[in-house]
Amino acid sequence: DSGVTQTPKHLITATGQRVTLRCSPRSGDLSVYWYQQSLDQGLQFLIQYYNGEERAKGNILERFSAQQFPDLHSELNLSSLELGDSALYFCASSVGLFQETQYFGPGTRLLVL
Amino acid sequence: GESVGLHLPTLSVQEGDNSIINCAYSNSASDYFIWYKQESGKGPQFIIDIRSNMDKRQGQRVTVLLNKTVKHLSLQIAATQPGDSAVYFCAERPGGFKTIFGAGTRLFVKA
Repeated sequence: DSGVTQTPKHLITATGQRVTLRCSPRSGDLSVYWYQQSLDQGLQFLIQYYNGEERAKGNILERFSAQQFPDLHSELNLSSLELGDSALYFCASSVGLFQETQYFGPGTRLLVL
Repeated sequence: GESVGLHLPTLSVQEGDNSIINCAYSNSASDYFIWYKQESGKGPQFIIDIRSNMDKRQGQRVTVLLNKTVKHLSLQIAATQPGDSAVYFCAERPGGFKTIFGAGTRLFVKA
């Protein structure tokens, strides 16, 4: 158990809908990262937050947004969902800002029908 | 759980043998490298890391080798066990904030 929690574990929704994925980092970790993992594209970095502020952006679509709250938990919002958004979404956390060892949560499996 | 990366390179080894998983990284400026293990239905799990000022680092049953000349990273697993069966990812950090993950290699351990 990495200490990172993610909810929900599974999510099934329809195209055009909006969903929110939630992540709680390990105790003491200030950075939260979001990744998308699909069968054909591997693990893709989406975005990083550090102590409530956005610090790095990867291949995140404009339809996706994230935030980190004062208690350091984070939410990833996915809107106008498309079939291709079906994937595993992982949250990871680390102590500091510069992406040293990241600890991954169990992931949320999203299926868009 | 659902298989990740159905078309990943695959390494099949006999239980008890040593495994070597290779990774070519892309950026000469990368200063930090990590190996992760991902079991079916789970998130990636940190195995071992190495900084660019080193060429070898050992952990428990695992060794990472770094060859900066040819931008190559390898993970050696000694006395491979069935529990080592997983997808292994290398990751590089080309300075700054972003970490780039490789495509992964699937390791099968035959009993």
